[in-house]
Amino acid sequence: GAVVSQHPSRVICKSGTSVKIECRSLDFQATTMFWYRQFPKKSLMLMATSNEGSKATYEQGVEKDKFLINHASLTLSTLTVTSAHPEDSSFYICSAQDGNDQPQHFGDGTRLSIL
Amino acid sequence: GNSVTQMEGPVTLSEEAFLTINCTYTATGYPSLFWYVQYPGEGLQLLLKATKADDKGSNKGFEATYRKETTSFHLEKGSVQVSDSAVYFCALSAPGGYQKVTFGIGTKLQVIP
Repeated sequence: GAVVSQHPSRVICKSGTSVKIECRSLDFQATTMFWYRQFPKKSLMLMATSNEGSKATYEQGVEKDKFLINHASLTLSTLTVTSAHPEDSSFYICSAQDGNDQPQHFGDGTRLSIL
Repeated sequence: GNSVTQMEGPVTLSEEAFLTINCTYTATGYPSLFWYVQYPGEGLQLLLKATKADDKGSNKGFEATYRKETTSFHLEKGSVQVSDSAVYFCALSAPGGYQKVTFGIGTKLQVIP
């Protein structure tokens, strides 16, 4: 089946650091990738949608300068949390799909902890 | 806007017990409805789906029926196993596609031998 690899699985770093999270589709071409954030005891919240080769579309309330998304190829999207602070600590999950009529396939998530 | 409400859990059941996880939704029109499952240490996987009223989605012994009149999509399984222990997410998306999926909070299920 379709596999999405997300890396790293866990990051602990100091406040002010920028952190990059990678999302790769291993056996299919991902025309669209999604980035979600999950707070404790909350549902997954869509942060942004990215299509290969174009700018990401951010959901209302998500700072695009804070959460930089790059979807440079059909198999890779990256999320960079710039100048991370403790309030950015969360669980980030990516997903990818090959066409709007196909289900999203999810990565295993990245636990980000900012000290 | 769209929203999904499901029981928070955790739900603890003995093996072979009957499972129901309630899910209700708010949306305009006829959304597509999904149940996703997240096993420990893994990503979310699509468990089952239904795209129109009265459709029944089923997979691995789990079932859920799209009830438009009660805006519900409750997940059921007749006899759970220890291997079913996971977090279950109810979700919806706009008709005809899988874009902009709205998730519920997730319900943790623990099945004990």
